[in-house]
Amino acid sequence: QLQLQESGPGLVKPSETLSLTCTVSGGSVTDSTYYWAWIRQSPGKGLEFIGSIYYSGSTTYNPSLKSRVTLSVDTSNNQFSLRLRSMTAADTAVYHCARHYDSGWPNWFDPWGQGILVTVSS
Amino acid sequence: DIQMTQSPSSLSASVGDRVTITCRASQTISTYLNWYQQKPGKAPKLLIYAASSLQVGVPSRFSGSGSGTDFTLTISSLQPEDFATYYCQQSYNTLPYTFGQGTNLEIK
Repeated sequence: QLQLQESGPGLVKPSETLSLTCTVSGGSVTDSTYYWAWIRQSPGKGLEFIGSIYYSGSTTYNPSLKSRVTLSVDTSNNQFSLRLRSMTAADTAVYHCARHYDSGWPNWFDPWGQGILVTVSS
Repeated sequence: DIQMTQSPSSLSASVGDRVTITCRASQTISTYLNWYQQKPGKAPKLLIYAASSLQVGVPSRFSGSGSGTDFTLTISSLQPEDFATYYCQQSYNTLPYTFGQGTNLEIK
């Protein structure tokens, strides 16, 4: 059974860069069927798609975050990662990683990691 | 961005009830519509994809319908484990993918 687990800091200072890693177990990030996604969840904005990456390095990003986001994949460690620059209080959220099936149609996220709460505060 | 609006925002129901949750898209999205269930402190779980296809392992009391802009999630006979928050999500071919604000299903 595929499982995903997020890791990284729970507290980031304003203007700093957030770095999160998602470790995949029970499956491989090189599975050609799937992309790998980051989605965040906050009381104010609800669920928000951040971006997805394929094992080859091909990416899709939410246009509203594209200028601050970089996704990467580490096939040797079966992980993928998120970097979000210039953090502000508005970026405080639970960050989930998820497997992303994208054949055009259908297109869905499943399963998800439990999420990691990231708070932006000095 | 395509806006997704769910109704109601919250709902009280009893075990055994039939429940329907509605999701409306701000523009047509064909059947690019998914439904997720989230319990407190847990990850969202995919229930329905492509508007009406049941994800493997999801009980058959869950069903989805709709196309274009209007969609529904129906639970035919509520079970105790179904009390949770439900989200719709559009995956149409224009980024970003967006989610509804959620429907909190509570025990009456």
